[in-house]
Amino acid sequence: DAGVTQSPTHLIKTRGQQVTLRCSPKSGHDTVSWYQQALGQGPQFIFQYYEEEERQRGNFPDRFSGHQFPNYSSELNVNALLLGDSALYLCASSAGQARNEQFFGPGTRLTVL
Amino acid sequence: EDQVTQSPEALRLQEGESSSLNCSYTVSGLRGLFWYRQDPGKGPEFLFTLYSAGEEKEKERLKATLTKKESFLHITAPKPEDSATYLCAVSGGSYIPTFGRGTSLIVHP
Repeated sequence: DAGVTQSPTHLIKTRGQQVTLRCSPKSGHDTVSWYQQALGQGPQFIFQYYEEEERQRGNFPDRFSGHQFPNYSSELNVNALLLGDSALYLCASSAGQARNEQFFGPGTRLTVL
Repeated sequence: EDQVTQSPEALRLQEGESSSLNCSYTVSGLRGLFWYRQDPGKGPEFLFTLYSAGEEKEKERLKATLTKKESFLHITAPKPEDSATYLCAVSGGSYIPTFGRGTSLIVHP
């Protein structure tokens, strides 16, 4: 049973560019959440997708957007990259909107130069 | 606003030396308190969910407990492979999880 998968593993971009990160949830899960984790910090909630709609959003600007596909996989898009966007981006999946037990993927390390 | 404070920030133990990690929280209407283990450069690994004060859960050398204001993660006779960062998170009325900064645990052989 495959767990949560994310791609790519690492990514290097320059300021002002745009990036797309991808996530496939654990089998049987239909809810996907995205988190940003800066070095030495805990994960910060970006937003959550359920039934192909954004259901909850954390304190992140509109430069951060997402999408969920009919097969429950999801994308995170970040426009106009800033140096401060450098972080580990984590995807977590769960079953249903109870959202209590989330299972995380390995993350995508984004470096903005 | 939900808040989570974890202490200590870092903890060094000798193999077999038991200890506890603390997670203090404030939340409006606790839906759940979660413990995760995170190895460097990897995603968090789910350990436990606690829902109400007095609840306890165990897994191998780990035991998590919950009161109305804090949770403890007790590590009994730790081994070097228990070295990791342990994250605590709470979910309240908004269902948006709030994470602490974690406790970095190093267990020396």
